[in-house]
Amino acid sequence: DAGITQSPRHKVTETGTPVTLRCHQTENHRYMYWYRQDPGHGLRLIHYSYGVKDTDKGEVSDGYSVSRSKTEDFLLTLESATSSQTSVYFCAIRRTGDSLGYGYTFGSGTRLTVV
Amino acid sequence: QQQVKQSPQSLIVQKGGISIINCAYENTAFDYFPWYQQFPGKGPALLIAIRPDVSEKKEGRFTISFNKSAKQFSLHIMDSQPGDSATYFCAAVTGGGNKLTFGTGTQLKVEL
Repeated sequence: DAGITQSPRHKVTETGTPVTLRCHQTENHRYMYWYRQDPGHGLRLIHYSYGVKDTDKGEVSDGYSVSRSKTEDFLLTLESATSSQTSVYFCAIRRTGDSLGYGYTFGSGTRLTVV
Repeated sequence: QQQVKQSPQSLIVQKGGISIINCAYENTAFDYFPWYQQFPGKGPALLIAIRPDVSEKKEGRFTISFNKSAKQFSLHIMDSQPGDSATYFCAAVTGGGNKLTFGTGTQLKVEL
């Protein structure tokens, strides 16, 4: 959707290992976001970026870091994966100047299982 | 602390019926209220959205009703169809568009 590719789509990893998820966009949008989706919580913002090397924390940022060295790529790293980080992770971009106001478009998600 | 409260958690509606999902918020800084539809294995997709200076917005079978004084808004799906079976999220935006806060979601099933 809207040129957003998340990789990998599925991953199983062991507790304590570092994990990096990648979000790639092809439309040169300035704003990119990482959310996690858990039952009973909806989607919660982890980190977001408003430009190359410009990032900020969301509401559930503990245990996560991000990097954005190029406009098109936004990486999410779990520094030392824990079982509580088992979740579905979504990347999103935000269009500016959208007629609806704030047009967020989401990728298809990465299902991460920490065992 | 859930800034956007959504109910019900799940909903079963007969084909042709009206589906109603309700949301409430506390933060008066929210200035944009979108609804998202999500099918299994997919990311949320924008369905319809409203700004707080409007009390109602209709797009096809989908209508948002907005009550600014009560800080509540709802999604109405008229003539519900089996293809509408999905999870629906209300959301609210603030911070100049940088903070999109979701409700907890409603799983809708439309039965034949």
